[in-house]
Amino acid sequence: GAVVSQHPSRVICKSGTSVKIECRSLDFQATTMFWYRQFPKQSLMLMATSNEGSKATYEQGVEKDKFLINHASLTLSTLTVTSAHPEDSSFYICSAWGVYEQYFGPGTRLTVT
Amino acid sequence: AQSVTQPDIHITVSEGASLELRCNYSYGATPYLFWYVQSPGQGLQLLLKYFSGDTLVQGIKGFEAEFKRSQSSFNLRKPSVHWSDAAEYFCAVAASGGSYIPTFGRGTSLIVHP
Repeated sequence: GAVVSQHPSRVICKSGTSVKIECRSLDFQATTMFWYRQFPKQSLMLMATSNEGSKATYEQGVEKDKFLINHASLTLSTLTVTSAHPEDSSFYICSAWGVYEQYFGPGTRLTVT
Repeated sequence: AQSVTQPDIHITVSEGASLELRCNYSYGATPYLFWYVQSPGQGLQLLLKYFSGDTLVQGIKGFEAEFKRSQSSFNLRKPSVHWSDAAEYFCAVAASGGSYIPTFGRGTSLIVHP
């Protein structure tokens, strides 16, 4: 079946630095990918929709200048958390639509110290 | 906009017992409905989905769910739970006439006792 990968799986960074998370569709092309954020014991909150070759669409309340999304190819979307702060610590999950199904990556645990 | 309610935060069952996880949705038309499972520190895996047709949907790992329009529900069931089923379960709804981006419920944590 279709596979979505994320890299890294875990990252620890210092406050004020930037972190890039990659999301790849391994065996299919994805013109649209999605980025979610999940707090402990809570649901997934859609942050933005990443569109290949165009600007991402952000959900209300998500700072687009803080969470930079780039979808440069049909198999890769990146999320960069800029000037990270401890409150950005979370589990970030990407997904991509296959045929009638959304495939999720394994997630990236970000810890900002 | 659509929404999903999973009224149970935690469910505890004994191994071998039957399971039902509740899900209620709010959407004006016939929705697309999904159940996902998430193991600790992992992404989401699709258990089953409903788009149209037979309202009783069979999924992977022995799970099934029934779409009941009159109750706006899509409850997940399994006749005999295994210890490996312990995980977080998310119900999701997507607009059938829209962008198909699912909205997730808050999740139900399944605890399985030996």
